[in-house]
Amino acid sequence: EVQLVESGGGLVQPGRSLRLSCTASGFTFGDYAMSWVRQAPGKGLEWVGFIRSKAYGETTEYAASVKGRFTISRDDSKSIAYLQMNSLKTEDTAVYYCTRGSPVGQYFQHWGQGTLVTVSS
Amino acid sequence: EIVLTQSPGTLSLSPGEGATLSCRASQSVSSSYLAWYQQKPGQAPRLLIYGASSRATGIPDRFSGSGSGTDFTLTISRLEPEDFAVFYCQQYGGSPYTFGQGTKLEIK
Repeated sequence: EVQLVESGGGLVQPGRSLRLSCTASGFTFGDYAMSWVRQAPGKGLEWVGFIRSKAYGETTEYAASVKGRFTISRDDSKSIAYLQMNSLKTEDTAVYYCTRGSPVGQYFQHWGQGTLVTVSS
Repeated sequence: EIVLTQSPGTLSLSPGEGATLSCRASQSVSSSYLAWYQQKPGQAPRLLIYGASSRATGIPDRFSGSGSGTDFTLTISRLEPEDFAVFYCQQYGGSPYTFGQGTKLEIK
């Protein structure tokens, strides 16, 4: 069974940094691209970014709203994907979900339970 | 960036009725790379449809997807009480992989 478990959320002040982790199990982690999707309180879903597998160079892509501030990385030996969030803004407050893409495209069959990040002074 | 516009914003129907949800893209979605998700309060989204018309594993056949290019539709025949939720479309034909703003399906 595929499982994705996010951790690292919490309360952080504007301008500070936070790193989220997504620990995966139940599949060969290194074979898949991993994405992050967020949802602000009472709002819709927003794709944040993703990292391709090692076979595709572990290249990354990001939404314009986070580009230059957020960085996605992965450690295939530990089956963990990371979301490093720098220069956080109040509008980054959201539940952050880790998701796994499919071999044929970045649609998301599997989701974590989400972790809440609150950016506030 | 491809902008997805869902309509209607809210749909009020009764169990047993059929539902039609629309997702319109600002430009053509490559290879019909369009997915639909259902989200209930406090839960992560659930994948319903991918590739515009392929049902995900375990999704009942009362859910169906259609469309191509810029116009896509999610149809739910014979609504069950557990179907009422918020539905999102997502395009994955090109980065950034955008979502629509959602359609809330509520019990009338």
